[in-house]
Amino acid sequence: EVQLVESGGGLVQPGRSLKLSCLASGFTFSNYGMNWIRQAPGKGLEWVASISSSSSYIYYADTVKGRFTISRDNAKNTLYLQMTSLRSEDTALYYCARQGYNNQFAYWGQGTLVTVSS
Amino acid sequence: DIQMTQSPHSLSASLGETVSIECLASEGISNYLAWYQQKPGKSPQLLIYYASSLQDGVPSRFSGSGSGTQYSLKISNMQPEDEGVYYCQQGYKYPPTFGGGTKLELK
Repeated sequence: EVQLVESGGGLVQPGRSLKLSCLASGFTFSNYGMNWIRQAPGKGLEWVASISSSSSYIYYADTVKGRFTISRDNAKNTLYLQMTSLRSEDTALYYCARQGYNNQFAYWGQGTLVTVSS
Repeated sequence: DIQMTQSPHSLSASLGETVSIECLASEGISNYLAWYQQKPGKSPQLLIYYASSLQDGVPSRFSGSGSGTQYSLKISNMQPEDEGVYYCQQGYKYPPTFGGGTKLELK
């Protein structure tokens, strides 16, 4: 069974940093591209970043480019999102999701909540 | 970026009714279109990929169709567990983009 478990969320002041993790199990992690997708409270879904299976290709949403860094450790079956210079508009539930065949998101974690507030 | 416009924003359906949700892309996306269902307090679940392919385990009352810029999700025989918010998403070009969502309620 595919499982994605996010962690690392919490309350952080504007301008500070936070690092999210997503532990994967139930599939060969190193074979799949992975993504971070967020959802602000009561709002829709916003793709944040993608990383290919071998980390060769990395993409970011314009809203986070230069502030967030996606990475992965295939030996640890773990996906990361390093977030710096956090803003109030980054407040959201952050999901990790496994890439599907046609750039859809076939499996999602339960999410980890990031709240940026003073 | 490719804009995805969903309609309607919300709708209510009776038990057993058939409903449709539309998704319009701002440019052609060659069927790289997925549909998700999100129930309150839960993560989104993939229903349909490549416009009309049913994800494993999804009931056959869900179906997708369309081409070019226009796509639709049809739910036949509405059930109580079908309540939730539905999103379309294009995977044709980066950045992947989602529609604004359609809230479906049981009448």
